[in-house]
Amino acid sequence: QVQLVQSGAEVKKPGSSVKVSCKASGDTFNTYAINWVRQAPGQGLEWMGQIFPVLDTANYAHNFQGRVTLTADESTSTAYMELSSLRSEDTAVYYCARDGSLRDFDYWGQGTLVTVSS
Amino acid sequence: QSALTQPASVSGSPGQSITISCTGTSSDVGAFNYVSWYLQHPGKAPKLMIYGVRSRPSGVSNRFSGSKSGNTASLTISGLQAEDEADYYCISYTCSNTYVFGTGTKVTVL
Repeated sequence: QVQLVQSGAEVKKPGSSVKVSCKASGDTFNTYAINWVRQAPGQGLEWMGQIFPVLDTANYAHNFQGRVTLTADESTSTAYMELSSLRSEDTAVYYCARDGSLRDFDYWGQGTLVTVSS
Repeated sequence: QSALTQPASVSGSPGQSITISCTGTSSDVGAFNYVSWYLQHPGKAPKLMIYGVRSRPSGVSNRFSGSKSGNTASLTISGLQAEDEADYYCISYTCSNTYVFGTGTKVTVL
């Protein structure tokens, strides 16, 4: 059974960076892409980007290009999302999700709350 | 890339059927059969309900069905139940090799 387990909640200062991890188990990590999605309080879902571990390549949403970096460590089956130049509007729950067979997000992590506050 | 358009809210009585629309463009919804739908209860991660426009993952009730016509995809919930009350989101793959979510729909069971 596929499981995605994310790192714990973070509190960050404006202008700093945060790195969230997503550890996969139960399936071949390199077979699928991992997507990152965020949800600000009371708001909808927003796609940030995806990484293909086997190719070590990533696609980013226009809104996040230049500020987000997606990486993956095949040896530990872990994907990472790093967001820099944090501002209060980046306060949100960040999810990782596996890219399924028909461009769907079939398995999700539990979410990581990132709070940006001075 | 603008978000796909969904109605903010849809409601229905138990046993009724409701339909949620998801309108995009010829560069996303209209371009591929890569539209999926997600249910999200408050404080929980989204759950995949429909993928590839109309396919249901194992374990999802057959009361949920999906379709697409042109640039608009739809999710229909038949035999509405109290447990269906949640937020629903569509998402589509795009011609730019990215994804775009819908604005989200709150479903209320009266």
